[in-house]
Amino acid sequence: DTAVSQTPKYLVTQMGNDKSIKCEQNLGHDTMYWYKQDSKKFLKIMFSYNNKELIINETVPNRFSPKSPDKAHLNLHINSLELGDSAVYFCASSYRQYHEQYFGPGTRLTVT
Amino acid sequence: QKEVEQNSGPLSVPEGAIASLNCTYSDRGSQSFFWYRQYSGKSPELIMFIYSNGDKEDGRFTAQLNKASQYVSLLIRDSQPSDSATYLCAVNIGDRGSTLGRLYFGRGTQLTVWP
Repeated sequence: DTAVSQTPKYLVTQMGNDKSIKCEQNLGHDTMYWYKQDSKKFLKIMFSYNNKELIINETVPNRFSPKSPDKAHLNLHINSLELGDSAVYFCASSYRQYHEQYFGPGTRLTVT
Repeated sequence: QKEVEQNSGPLSVPEGAIASLNCTYSDRGSQSFFWYRQYSGKSPELIMFIYSNGDKEDGRFTAQLNKASQYVSLLIRDSQPSDSATYLCAVNIGDRGSTLGRLYFGRGTQLTVWP
């Protein structure tokens, strides 16, 4: 059983397009996150949701919009994609916000 | 700016040796500390977490925390080639009783264990 899953695994698209990434966890956790890992492998938090409520919104362009339909799902929609958005996006979840986080397999986004 | 610094590496040790990975953090309010292992092309995998000063052992891994020195380390005993990966230190800055904690990652230390 996959604990945290993401789709798609790879996403190749052109500048200006809109795309979505989906995440689901079956761990019964209350908190879910989106992270971005850049080409230098630096992992940085973008958003955090606790029980469907947005609680962390780091300095992220408003082209990025997370949505949590329920506490097991967290989606990320990106409008007007730019070259600099190319990265690996990881979803993660934790029981509570300060507890250990478990990561999904990642979505490698390439914008051409 | 909250910072988490790791020894940049790369670190190379022979099989069977002890690998020592170090991490310092800037915020004295930090409450929870984590070590993740990331193989190339894979996602971060949690290997240890520690909340209190002192040592915490799990198999071949020992995490050490010194809040006064703002220092956390990971020791890997009897290193194996399969331990070769990037190790990420992560620090959760915020009160464990609050909802405002967030995880800050260091840039990672690449470890190679050669046979």
